[in-house]
Amino acid sequence: GESVGLHLPTLSVQEGDNSIINCAYSNSASDYFIWYKQESGKGPQFIIDIRSNMDKRQGQRVTVLLNKTVKHLSLQIAATQPGDSAVYFCAENAGGTSYGKLTFGQGTILTVHP
Amino acid sequence: NAGVTQTPKFQVLKTGQSMTLQCAQDMNHEYMSWYRQDPGMGLRLIHYSVGAGITDQGEVPNGYNVSRSTTEDFPLRLLSAAPSQTSVYFCASSQTVRYGYTFGSGTRLTVV
Repeated sequence: GESVGLHLPTLSVQEGDNSIINCAYSNSASDYFIWYKQESGKGPQFIIDIRSNMDKRQGQRVTVLLNKTVKHLSLQIAATQPGDSAVYFCAENAGGTSYGKLTFGQGTILTVHP
Repeated sequence: NAGVTQTPKFQVLKTGQSMTLQCAQDMNHEYMSWYRQDPGMGLRLIHYSVGAGITDQGEVPNGYNVSRSTTEDFPLRLLSAAPSQTSVYFCASSQTVRYGYTFGSGTRLTVV
């Protein structure tokens, strides 16, 4: 069935390092992807998105890379800060008759040590 | 502009009871969704709506009903609560899915 999954459930980094969080997706019809950040006790917050006609998109300190050949997404966070500690989810949307549906992956826990 | 408001924030139910989780948004968003999040897990889609009067099932719809009589409100009804429905429930809305959903702060439900 359709699914979005993550390679690594936890990631620990030192403050100032760059972080890379990975995500694999299985629905080849997905053409829109989003990364969310969820802090403890809160709802997910939008970080950055990318459409399938793009390979890379940059935001403030974050970059998302999309490799459609191997159905893989990654989120890169530059100069990681303690405030970046959270659970990060990738999500996908397939469009068409599934336009209203956003499917989430399992999540990666990012811990940033001072 | 309050965003997405969910009530209640916490609820304890006995097995077999029914209840409605409320969700309201004041952003005039067409798209609304309900997700549940179990401990250490991602979010699973229960039901979603692409506009007033239009709803559809997600991944885990059994045991839940929804309706969308207005653009602003999207209540989630638990018909007969079961311990397996213990979870955190998030409501979300969006002008268009392609701009990402805005999430509420969640309702933590425990069924005993």
